[in-house]
Amino acid sequence: GAVVSQHPSRVICKSGTSVKIECRSLDFQATTMFWYRQFPKQSLMLMATSNEGSKATYEQGVEKDKFLINHASLTLSTLTVTSAHPEDSSFYICSALTHRDTQYFGPGTRLTVL
Amino acid sequence: AQTVTQSQPEMSVQEAETVTLSCTYDTSESDYYLFWYKQPPSRQMILVIRQEAYKQQNATENRFSVNFQKAAKSFSLKISDSQLGDAAMYFCAYINTGTASKLTFGTGTRLQVTL
Repeated sequence: GAVVSQHPSRVICKSGTSVKIECRSLDFQATTMFWYRQFPKQSLMLMATSNEGSKATYEQGVEKDKFLINHASLTLSTLTVTSAHPEDSSFYICSALTHRDTQYFGPGTRLTVL
Repeated sequence: AQTVTQSQPEMSVQEAETVTLSCTYDTSESDYYLFWYKQPPSRQMILVIRQEAYKQQNATENRFSVNFQKAAKSFSLKISDSQLGDAAMYFCAYINTGTASKLTFGTGTRLQVTL
């Protein structure tokens, strides 16, 4: 299957700082990537759809100015959590879409905001 | 709106035995895909199996197979010869080809594998 990497795997930051998470498709090009958030013992919650060369599409209730998404190339999308607060602490997962309408997921990033 | 329902929050199976995880979905579309993803304790989401709605033949991947009943909107996963490494959370998911490839997930089934 297709391989998607995500970096960093874990990050701890102070309240008020910004954190950038990278998502890369390693062996295929992905014009579309997705960003999810997962709370403990729950399913994945879609935050936004990232499209190469255009603005991201955010799901209802997700703050665009807090969660900045940039999809600058066919293999890289980044999620920046701006002015992070403890309530932003969570597990963030990205996925990349293949031509067969199949999403392959990165290993996730655990964000802890102190 | 499409919905995916997994009615079994937890399941348990003995090693080497067979277990079936249930999934039903609701859609008015005719062209879509269905998936089973596995999430072990590492939390990496792993694609287990994929089914195109237009195909009548059930998908299989080694020990994993599905029972796809389109009229009943049912998509169960059968795991044969269960192994300890199969212990994980399993999510059923749906994509309508006309909705920008967004996945709709079920709530998941936690599978325990015992010796």
